[in-house]
Amino acid sequence: GAVVSQHPSWVICKSGTSVKIECRSLDFQATTMFWYRQFPKQSLMLMATSNEGSKATYEQGVEKDKFLINHASLTLSTLTVTSAHPEDSSFYICSARALAALISYEQYFGPGTRLTVT
Amino acid sequence: TQLLEQSPQFLSIQEGENLTVYCNSSSVFSSLQWYRQEPGEGPVLLVTVVTGGEVKKLKRLTFQFGDARKDSSLHITAAQPGDTGLYLCAGGNRDDKIIFGKGTRLHILP
Repeated sequence: GAVVSQHPSWVICKSGTSVKIECRSLDFQATTMFWYRQFPKQSLMLMATSNEGSKATYEQGVEKDKFLINHASLTLSTLTVTSAHPEDSSFYICSARALAALISYEQYFGPGTRLTVT
Repeated sequence: TQLLEQSPQFLSIQEGENLTVYCNSSSVFSSLQWYRQEPGEGPVLLVTVVTGGEVKKLKRLTFQFGDARKDSSLHITAAQPGDTGLYLCAGGNRDDKIIFGKGTRLHILP
């Protein structure tokens, strides 16, 4: 149980275009999903917290107009990178916290999406 | 601001040796998780510890949560090449975001 998927697993786009990344909890309902960014050989940096049916909460320094997050259902959150630039190239990872988890602070991570902006 | 310091940042040892990775903070956490991440993949949860002084074992891996719930350690016995990867500790408080350490990159030489 507790499987989280991401789509696509990798994407290459041209500078100036927008890219949407999906995060799905496959076998559980997630009240909260988190979006992280990871640069090579570094740890995960939290970008934003997404709660179903409400606006996302962004971490300091993360542009909410550039990284649009939608959490329309208890099993799906999307991250849209708008007007992507080469410096947005990174590994984007989502995680989900289960609605009925016995340990509410456990998160389950997706496999990540490698974004390359040319 | 809560911070988690992991040490060492890098560790390269021979197969069969033992090793310990540390995760320290000045803050108290309700829980502490250890994850392992392979290149190009998301982190995989290894264990969650929630009680001060708790010890959990996962085959050759032993995890300990400090009595004051501010620190944790991961001990690997008889390391194998398959243990190679990035080990991340993460501290959390109920219904809140979790804080990640910077990770320990472990390389086991055959």
